[in-house]
Amino acid sequence: EAGVAQSPRYKIIEKRQSVAFWCNPISGHATLYWYQQILGQGPKLLIQFQNNGVVDDSQLPKDRFSAERLKGVDSTLKIQPAKLEDSAVYLCASSLIRGSGTGELFFGEGSRLTVL
Amino acid sequence: AQSVTQLDSQVPVFEEAPVELRCNYSSSVSVYLFWYVQYPNQGLQLLLKYLSGSTLVKGINGFEAEFNKSQTSFHLRKPSVHISDTAEYFCAVSPLIHGSGNTGKLIFGQGTTLQVKP
Repeated sequence: EAGVAQSPRYKIIEKRQSVAFWCNPISGHATLYWYQQILGQGPKLLIQFQNNGVVDDSQLPKDRFSAERLKGVDSTLKIQPAKLEDSAVYLCASSLIRGSGTGELFFGEGSRLTVL
Repeated sequence: AQSVTQLDSQVPVFEEAPVELRCNYSSSVSVYLFWYVQYPNQGLQLLLKYLSGSTLVKGINGFEAEFNKSQTSFHLRKPSVHISDTAEYFCAVSPLIHGSGNTGKLIFGQGTTLQVKP
């Protein structure tokens, strides 16, 4: 079974530029998450989707970050304009369905963003 | 609200020695508990989880953890570590909503770097 796919793996941009990250979850997983992992810290939830609806985006900096999951499968996370403090690894994860099962999340390898 | 505290940022240990990585949590609701491992330049991989039942849970790669409700702790242990266990370890909780099950989201601790030396 294929895992969670993310791209690009690495991205270097100048501050105030824009960047987009893509995620393809495990087939059949209804719930998709984007986490931000700053160096030396644990991952922090940015946004949680159930199918194509947003369940939780309370920690998403909405003035610069946006995310969508139009058809309930793939998702895109965008940052515009980027700031130095956005340098981090952006992890995508998926799970079967919110509210049931064991609560286990399956993670992709992450997209490492460096803002200069 | 929930929070997770991993009491050690780095744990150096010699190969074949036992190790314990400590995790305390705070929550006003019931939670599921998890330990994830992250190898360099890789995503997070589930080591083990506690949902209910026996407070001692066993996971992959010889790891186990014990849930202590009175101390709100979920410490991870391994009786004999290998060089290949060198990685970052994250404790996490998933809050439960009465009547709706788990919320799905994970709240992570800051991580503990396990450094296994030959």
